[in-house]
Amino acid sequence: EDQVTQSPEALRLQEGESSSLNCSYTVSGLRGLFWYRQDPGKGPEFLFTLYSAGEEKEKERLKATLTKKESFLHITAPKPEDSATYLCEDDKLIFGTGTRLQVFP
Amino acid sequence: DAGVIQSPRHEVTEMGQEVTLRCKPISGHNSLFWYRQTMMRGLELLIYFNNNVPIDDSGMPEDRFSAKMPNASFSTLKIQPSEPRDSAVYFCASSRRMAASSWNTEAFFGQGTRLTVV
Repeated sequence: EDQVTQSPEALRLQEGESSSLNCSYTVSGLRGLFWYRQDPGKGPEFLFTLYSAGEEKEKERLKATLTKKESFLHITAPKPEDSATYLCEDDKLIFGTGTRLQVFP
Repeated sequence: DAGVIQSPRHEVTEMGQEVTLRCKPISGHNSLFWYRQTMMRGLELLIYFNNNVPIDDSGMPEDRFSAKMPNASFSTLKIQPSEPRDSAVYFCASSRRMAASSWNTEAFFGQGTRLTVV
């Protein structure tokens, strides 16, 4: 059975302290890996799609990268407004359980 | 576009009662998904439709759950009878994804319905 595993479960950062979130997947022949952001009380909001190993995408302080077995979401100099749960999903519609990020001023 | 619209936002019901959750997808999207989110299990796909046709309902937990999509602009998820373990946030999402062996287009989620069964 295909699995998507995210780590860490929770991450506390000081404002400006860069870090990375991990998403590992088991599906072979991946055709799309999706990153979402979810704020409390809201539905997931799309961030990025990565299609092939080596691909990178950026949006403001976020950069997503993809290898053959995992994806990383790098957060550079985070701000408190980046606090949210970050979810990844493979192309079989399987979500990871998310990383809850808290950024403190 | 108003995005995916779900109703109600909150529902509290007694065990044994019927519950109906509603969803209006984004106009022009041909795929619709129902998910359930809990702290223990995260986001789980219950069922998805493509062009109003149910494609995969293997995630529907029991026969108590049923979903319909009578037209391109409306879908319902019904639980009858409801049980306390059904308490969760239920999300509807829509997409331009094509039904294939795998998906490569993002989905757009509604705000969810928080269901509490007492």
